[in-house]
Amino acid sequence: NAGVTQTPKFQVLKTGQSMTLQCAQDMNHNSMYWYRQDPGMGLRLIYYSASEGTTDKGEVPNGYNVSRLNKREFSLRLESAAPSQTSVYFCASSAGVLIGYEQFFGPGTRLTVL
Amino acid sequence: ELKVEQNPLFLSMQEGKNYTIYCNYSTTSDRLYWYRQDPGKSLESLFVLLSNGAVKQEGRLMASLDTKARLSTLHITAAVHDLSATYFCAVDATGTYKYIFGTGTRLKVLA
Repeated sequence: NAGVTQTPKFQVLKTGQSMTLQCAQDMNHNSMYWYRQDPGMGLRLIYYSASEGTTDKGEVPNGYNVSRLNKREFSLRLESAAPSQTSVYFCASSAGVLIGYEQFFGPGTRLTVL
Repeated sequence: ELKVEQNPLFLSMQEGKNYTIYCNYSTTSDRLYWYRQDPGKSLESLFVLLSNGAVKQEGRLMASLDTKARLSTLHITAAVHDLSATYFCAVDATGTYKYIFGTGTRLKVLA
């Protein structure tokens, strides 16, 4: 039981390059989330998927797209990376917010955009 | 817009002392979550508080929730060095699937 896994762990991009961050969970959770963490800013929600087949914008969605590939997998895509997207990205999953379950977090991806 | 504020943002305390971290939020919610993050690591769930008056305890940490005041507290009793970490509270607005996090409290326990 691996929990929430993310790949890659580290990535360096040049401005304008694109990439996809992968996330998978093996806990049969319905909801999945992408956050970014910047120093002094806490975690900010980028996108979330309440259930398979649905996605919605969070607080800071500009510059990102997501795909809920199936119940297990939720990917985050940067189409044209910018230095402002340098951050640590966390994926999380939850059995379901409406019934008060905590989130489980992946190990994170440290992204640097030059 | 749901906002979550924590204070203090930084806390340096001596081993053996007690202290409280506060988490205020701006909209109706009956559910609040506390997480711990060690430097360079991911977040780990500490407590889930699901109703007004809920109190949870684990070791030297105790969390409580007052939904009428929109306030949660994380109380540290007789701090030890191993408690040094950043602590986050998070709230999900009633009827949504969004969790909103506070900015975190960086706790340093000095030997």
